[in-house]
Amino acid sequence: SQTIHQWPATLVQPVGSPLSLECTVEGTSNPNLYWYRQAAGRGLQLLFYSVGIGQISSEVPQNLSASRPQDRQFILSSKKLLLSDSGFYLCAWSEASAVYEQYFGPGTRLTVT
Amino acid sequence: AQSVSQHNHHVILSEAASLELGCNYSYGGTVNLFWYVQYPGQHLQLLLKYFSGDPLVKGIKGFEAEFIKSKFSFNLRKPSVQWSDTAEYFCALSTLVNFNKFYFGSGTKLNVKP
Repeated sequence: SQTIHQWPATLVQPVGSPLSLECTVEGTSNPNLYWYRQAAGRGLQLLFYSVGIGQISSEVPQNLSASRPQDRQFILSSKKLLLSDSGFYLCAWSEASAVYEQYFGPGTRLTVT
Repeated sequence: AQSVSQHNHHVILSEAASLELGCNYSYGGTVNLFWYVQYPGQHLQLLLKYFSGDPLVKGIKGFEAEFIKSKFSFNLRKPSVQWSDTAEYFCALSTLVNFNKFYFGSGTKLNVKP
């Protein structure tokens, strides 16, 4: 069966520091991968999605970037964090052939101080 | 642009009460519709989905939703809620044109009092 991992689970970082959040999927090949940010009362905002290695689509201009160095690995990064980057970050995957459902990871709670 | 609206941000019910959570969307073409649930401390998980066919879809744990195309709505219902239904519920849509993108509503927090 497929599983999705995210780490770390929680992170407290100072403003101006770099960020790297990692997401990996097991049990499937060539998945579509997604990064979302969940803000209280605002639902889930799609940040990036990827349909293959090195292929990244950005949904909103922001201080973050994403990379997909391996088929089942998706990384969310920032060179310099802002206070507004605080939030709950969710990684998700779906089958590439037919996106009938997205499967979500446990999330990372990021607090920028 | 596509969007999903959930107007009930916080709902409080007693056990055995009936539930209906509203979801409206804006998009003129064919949509796929979803309800996701996030129980406290757990992953976001799929409750039910609609792609085509019978507009009344049944999901897990006794939930159902009805797609009314003329009203651009996909409301979630349950005849009798339980304390264990306390969670946050999200409506989402994707389109045939761009099925990779899911658009989520802002969520509804449901609190069921025992």
